[in-house]
Amino acid sequence: GNSVTQMEGPVTLSEEAFLTINCTYTATGYPSLFWYVQYPGEGLQLLLKATKADDKGSNKGFEATYRKETTSFHLEKGSVQVSDSAVYFCALMGPFGNEKLTFGTGTRLTIIP
Amino acid sequence: NAGVTQTPKFRILKIGQSMTLQCTQDMNHNYMYWYRQDPGMGLKLIYYSVGAGITDKGEVPNGYNVSRSTTEDFPLRLELAAPSQTSVYFCASSLPMGGTTTNEKLFFGSGTQLSVL
Repeated sequence: GNSVTQMEGPVTLSEEAFLTINCTYTATGYPSLFWYVQYPGEGLQLLLKATKADDKGSNKGFEATYRKETTSFHLEKGSVQVSDSAVYFCALMGPFGNEKLTFGTGTRLTIIP
Repeated sequence: NAGVTQTPKFRILKIGQSMTLQCTQDMNHNYMYWYRQDPGMGLKLIYYSVGAGITDKGEVPNGYNVSRSTTEDFPLRLELAAPSQTSVYFCASSLPMGGTTTNEKLFFGSGTQLSVL
């Protein structure tokens, strides 16, 4: 079945540091890939997505590229801010229609001023 | 613009008690979902619904029941609470997922933190 493996946290960085959160997946065919973010006390919200190989999703300075050859969708940001402190979830949805999202375990990110 | 609204935000139950977690959405979404989030375990799908009158089991349905009498509401029922059900519960909704749709986005409520003691 489908599965998502995420970099274990927690991750603590200083403001303006470079961020990478690793995500790899197992799925048949060509799934759609997502990053969701959960800010303290809130539900998850979609951060970015990519629906086919070599696509790059981007939003709020975050980027992730769909790499079919390495089955990866790593999240990156060049210069993090305190407001980026949150839990980040990688997720996939299979390509065969009416499929549900499979989530990774989440990575807690804390940015120190 | 309310989106997905969950109540209550917090609840403590005794073993064997029952309760209903309420979820309502005002976006006219056909698809609704219940997830539980355990520490270090990510989100697990409990039940989902693709429209009023239609529900189906997810990965971890045991100990829960749902109903979908209207498009807006999707309550989750715990009949005999057990400590293993201590978790954070999220309701979500979406337009139809998969197939030819390109709108693959879930909208989440803010969650219900449930403790069973």
